[in-house]
Amino acid sequence: AQSVAQPEDQVNVAEGNPLTVKCTYSVSGNPYLFWYVQYPNRGLQFLLKYITGDNLVKGSYGFEAEFNKSQTSFHLKKPSALVSDSALYFCAVRPPSGNTPLVFGKGTRLSVIA
Amino acid sequence: NAGVTQTPKFRILKIGQSMTLQCTQDMNHNYMYWYRQDPGMGLKLIYYSVGAGITDKGEVPNGYNVSRSTTEDFPLRLELAAPSQTSVYFCASTHPGGRTDTQYFGPGTRLTVL
Repeated sequence: AQSVAQPEDQVNVAEGNPLTVKCTYSVSGNPYLFWYVQYPNRGLQFLLKYITGDNLVKGSYGFEAEFNKSQTSFHLKKPSALVSDSALYFCAVRPPSGNTPLVFGKGTRLSVIA
Repeated sequence: NAGVTQTPKFRILKIGQSMTLQCTQDMNHNYMYWYRQDPGMGLKLIYYSVGAGITDKGEVPNGYNVSRSTTEDFPLRLELAAPSQTSVYFCASTHPGGRTDTQYFGPGTRLTVL
């Protein structure tokens, strides 16, 4: 069965510094990988996804993620953090075939400090 | 498009009461999902549906029921509310297939069972 691990419950970063939110996955075959963001009292919003192709995926709000097959990782990155990036971030995985729904990680709370 | 809408936004139930959480999407998506989100636990899949008339259990289905009589609607029923069902409930939809595999989420229903 597929699974996702987000090893950090909380990530703190100063505004203007680069940020990384970590995600590792376990799935049979080539995965579909996703990042979602949740702002307070809101539903999840799609940020970006990896299906195939370039290992570096660019998404919304200046975020990008790097797919690393050998390390089974899909870390979320941004070169310069903004206070408005403070939110809860979820990594998710889905096998490329069948009707299996997305499996989400537990989430990582990002706090960007001015 | 309104996307995915959920009603109500908030609800307080007494133990043993029943209620239906409503979910509607206007994107003509075949797949719909119900998740619950508990603090520090990420999202847990309750039920999902791959089309009208077809539903399947997710990770935590006990205490819930669903139906899918139309493509647009996917209500979640709680028959005998218990304190363990206090959570935030999210409905989502998607039309799987290659690069269109993004899940869209509703704003959530915050349920408290006392």
